[in-house]
Amino acid sequence: DQQVKQNSPSLSVQEGRISILNCDYTNSMFDYFLWYKKYPAEGPTFLISISSIKDKNEDGRFTVFLNKSAKHLSLHIVPSQPGDSAVYFCAATDQTGANNLFFGTGTRLTVIP
Amino acid sequence: EPEVTQTPSHQVTQMGQEVILRCVPISNHLYFYWYRQILGQKVEFLVSFYNNEISEKSEIFDDQFSVERPDGSNFTLKIRSTKLEDSAMYFCASRGPNEKLFFGSGTQLSVL
Repeated sequence: DQQVKQNSPSLSVQEGRISILNCDYTNSMFDYFLWYKKYPAEGPTFLISISSIKDKNEDGRFTVFLNKSAKHLSLHIVPSQPGDSAVYFCAATDQTGANNLFFGTGTRLTVIP
Repeated sequence: EPEVTQTPSHQVTQMGQEVILRCVPISNHLYFYWYRQILGQKVEFLVSFYNNEISEKSEIFDDQFSVERPDGSNFTLKIRSTKLEDSAMYFCASRGPNEKLFFGSGTQLSVL
């Protein structure tokens, strides 16, 4: 049962342009969402998060948008840089108990110089 | 920045053998986790650990798996009798009070 879905396995973007990574979830109990970035042979590293009480959170070049009614969130990276090339995982939790995360399958972003 | 440390980075074992994957979480964190990622698939939750006991576990975490915090710093995942399908990258993570998980760099387990 895939509660968090990332339907685009890969995305290629020119350097300087905007990268938009999408994520959908099915569990209405999820109320906290995170984006992780993963380089090969490394563990996921936290990028940005958003609580369900917000619809936007911004941190430098990274902005996450949340549409609760559509159960959809997106990560915008602008401007995209070659160092942003990595696999991006969307994750969600319901902030109860141990707060374990449910991950999407990831989107491989390639930023072309 | 503090980090979660995992050893070894790569473990090769024969089917049916026991393996222990080791993790040193961030020192002031209270919640500890194991996740795994089979090649080409999503990162999957295995188990969470709090106050010296399992908080939650997934259906993947069956009787062949166990976790332990033998001292104040280490957090281990034991697989008693490995199967071919246990081959995956295993990630340890720990969490402080702000909901953000910190992951280790993973142990690549190869079961032959």
